[in-house]
Amino acid sequence: DTEVTQTPKHLVMGMTNKKSLKCEQHMGHRAMYWYKQKAKKPPELMFVYSYEKLSINESVPSRFSPECPNSSLLNLHLHALQPEDSALYLCASSDPLAGGDEQYFGPGTRLTVT
Amino acid sequence: AQSVAQPEDQVNVAEGNPLTVKCTYSVSGNPYLFWYVQYPNRGLQFLLKYITGDNLVKGSYGFEAEFNKSQTSFHLKKPSALVSDSALYFCAVRRPGGSYIPTFGRGTSLIVHP
Repeated sequence: DTEVTQTPKHLVMGMTNKKSLKCEQHMGHRAMYWYKQKAKKPPELMFVYSYEKLSINESVPSRFSPECPNSSLLNLHLHALQPEDSALYLCASSDPLAGGDEQYFGPGTRLTVT
Repeated sequence: AQSVAQPEDQVNVAEGNPLTVKCTYSVSGNPYLFWYVQYPNRGLQFLLKYITGDNLVKGSYGFEAEFNKSQTSFHLKKPSALVSDSALYFCAVRRPGGSYIPTFGRGTSLIVHP
């Protein structure tokens, strides 16, 4: 199974809502990532978990809160977002034992903040 | 530091013609190089990578890329383009021994005309 799944596919939320994005992989990868992508731009790294520990936080605002409950799951909790946070949120995983190498991406969650 | 440049925002090619999407990189030491493709409303998909060995790397969907150390380039090629190849292509680089997080180029939109 070389698939990364993400739910929901689409999410519309108001600026006062709290919601969560979910990501799952069963490839045994121990590195998982959250990216934010605006239209026709490269993905911007937000967070990296390595062996279930947060290893990189790219100065992301605290209204985004990541969580890695176990080696297969990655969540991104959202609270009090701004309209400029509307974007495609991508989850990815890779095998750090293989030098990281290629990343496997999920299909993304299209987030709209109203 | 590591960086990658994709000099073309958009590449247009007729179906059946060969295509090239350009990428140049800057990294200390020998690079790990990657190409990813993103179809509309989808996540990124890994196409191919260069780690070491043969300069010509073959990947998915008939794509190949040529590593040229003297020109610090890693151009993506396909002998005969298909309309279904129309997508956004990202080149990425990372430095071996350093962080396993790749740096992505800005992306090149490939449009294949029937």
